[in-house]
Amino acid sequence: DQQVKQNSPSLSVQEGRISILNCDYTNSMFDYFLWYKKYPAEGPTFLISISSIKDKNEDGRFTVFLNKSAKHLSLHIVPSQPGDSAVYFCAASASEGVGGNTPLVFGKGTRLSVIA
Amino acid sequence: DAGVIQSPRHEVTEMGQEVTLRCKPISGHNSLFWYRQTMMRGLELLIYFNNNVPIDDSGMPEDRFSAKMPNASFSTLKIQPSEPRDSAVYFCASSLADLESETQYFGPGTRLLVL
Repeated sequence: DQQVKQNSPSLSVQEGRISILNCDYTNSMFDYFLWYKKYPAEGPTFLISISSIKDKNEDGRFTVFLNKSAKHLSLHIVPSQPGDSAVYFCAASASEGVGGNTPLVFGKGTRLSVIA
Repeated sequence: DAGVIQSPRHEVTEMGQEVTLRCKPISGHNSLFWYRQTMMRGLELLIYFNNNVPIDDSGMPEDRFSAKMPNASFSTLKIQPSEPRDSAVYFCASSLADLESETQYFGPGTRLLVL
């Protein structure tokens, strides 16, 4: 049973346009969400995160939106660049508070191709 | 900072052999995670430690898998005996638990092939 779902395995976008990657989750205990970017033969690289007390977090070209009632989050990249081509993973955790971190539950990833 | 360091980067072994994967977390981090990535199951947690203490090993597939964290700067994941279905990429990640963030930082992974 997948608790974090990325229903689009791949996405192609033209350079300069907006890329929107979607993620749905089922566990209402999740309160921290992250996006990771992964290039071949490398480990996932942290991109941006959002706490459940917020509905939007922005960092340069990257914005994450959280809709708790729909249990949905999305990552917007604008403008998209060829270097953004990678696999993007959505991840979630249910924090236990200060004193220890809890594991991340990952979606299966979306492969983004930005075409020049 | 050097980031999370994993060794070896690649490992090819024969079925039945013992495999040991190593991880050095980011200095100062107090949580360490071992994940495995396969085509079928994606990224899944194997085990994690907080302050060097194993917290949850329910993701460890079988008794053939074991993990240790003897100190804050080193962890091992051992597979004995290894089987072809263990072939995957194994990632180690570390984090610092605080009020602001639970971000985990990943190493480059160890690509394991069991023949």
